Amino acid sequence: QSILTQPPSVSGTPGQWVTISCSGSSSNIGINSVTWYLQLPGAAPKLLIYNNSERPSGVPGRFSGSKSDTSASLAISGLQSADEAYYYCAAWDDSLIGVVFGGGTKVTVL
Amino acid sequence: QVQLVESGGGVVQPGKSLRLSCAASGFTFSTYGMHWVRQAPGKGLEWVAVIWYDGSSEYYADSVKGRFTISRDNSKNTLYLQMNSLRAEDTAFYYCARSRTDIVATAPGYWGQGTLVTVSS
Repeated sequence: QSILTQPPSVSGTPGQWVTISCSGSSSNIGINSVTWYLQLPGAAPKLLIYNNSERPSGVPGRFSGSKSDTSASLAISGLQSADEAYYYCAAWDDSLIGVVFGGGTKVTVL
Repeated sequence: QVQLVESGGGVVQPGKSLRLSCAASGFTFSTYGMHWVRQAPGKGLEWVAVIWYDGSSEYYADSVKGRFTISRDNSKNTLYLQMNSLRAEDTAFYYCARSRTDIVATAPGYWGQGTLVTVSS
């Protein structure tokens, strides 16, 4: 059971807009920034969003993040087949004194 | 550019020990906090441990506390994970990861490619 809660799967058609939710608590998302990762099969996680909504260089603007209270969301606009992957949210937890992850969301492009 | 290369994985019997290493390059190693994160085959990410940039503090997930020890040698730009009393449930890919900035208490920003540890008799 992961500390952060994500939906197991999300799907959409090419060009569609999809969102992935990430629910936490006052000791993690409520007081710390949220990070999002993308993981392709057989590969290491890759940083997608940091500080709730900032994109590293090289990450397309189709990916955006937001945070409100103890929840966060990742949005993907203009869905592409290359976006099929697992997406994880993460945050530092001040009570556990460590990083907590969501269980991961598989994005499928129909 | 930031490079993190893990080594030391392999097959080990339950109850035995194994030490993982992570060679860092492309940045000033002694400036950043470092993490170990693992992923059991077909499962999600699980944070394992973190160590402060100077080794002054270290914290662990409850699942490994008392069995695993994270350490670093800043003179060798290397991170370690000593794993003792290994269990079948410790079977996973182990990733070395760096804090994105000099603030340690954040999720990692850079990841290695991982090394597979299999605990089996």
